[in-house]
Amino acid sequence: DQQVKQNSPSLSVQEGRISILNCDYTNSMFDYFLWYKKYPAEGPTFLISISSIKDKNEDGRFTVFLNKSAKHLSLHIVPSQPGDSAVYFCAASGEGASGGSNYKLTFGKGTLLTVNP
Amino acid sequence: GAGVSQSPRYKVAKRGQDVALRCDPISGHVSLFWYQQALGQGPEFLTYFQNEAQLDKSGLPSDRFFAERPEGSVSTLKIQRTQQEDSAVYLCASSLGSSSEQFFGPGTRLTVL
Repeated sequence: DQQVKQNSPSLSVQEGRISILNCDYTNSMFDYFLWYKKYPAEGPTFLISISSIKDKNEDGRFTVFLNKSAKHLSLHIVPSQPGDSAVYFCAASGEGASGGSNYKLTFGKGTLLTVNP
Repeated sequence: GAGVSQSPRYKVAKRGQDVALRCDPISGHVSLFWYQQALGQGPEFLTYFQNEAQLDKSGLPSDRFFAERPEGSVSTLKIQRTQQEDSAVYLCASSLGSSSEQFFGPGTRLTVL
């Protein structure tokens, strides 16, 4: 049973436009959410995170929005650049979600973003 | 380099063979994690170390999987009597503390024939 779901396997956008990647979760005990970016043959690299006490976190071109009532978060990239082309993983953790551990990350399946020049 | 390194990068094993995968975490990182990423899936948690202590092995799929970190630095994930379903990328991550940002290595791609 997938607790973190990324329902779009792929997304294609034009350079300069906005990229919106979506993520849904089912476990209400998750209280910390992260986005990781992964290039081929490399490990995931941390991009941005948000705590459940916030509904928005911004870092440069990247903004994450959290809607707790809908158990939904999204990553906005504005403007999108060709170098942003990668697989993006949504991940979640929470002390109450994993038997008292807040280090255990639960990942979605990822969304392949392609930014076309 | 200053990042997490893993070796080998690629490993092909015949079914039934034992394999050992190595992880060199970032120097000074107390916490170390192993994840398994099957094709088309996201990484799945296997086990967690704090220094040399294995505090959580709840994600290990069977008793054929064994991990150790004897001196609190380098870690080895061992898989005995490999099966085809063990084919995956095995990712290692380290962090300063259990709740800190996890830095991932490039992974070892294991293919069991």
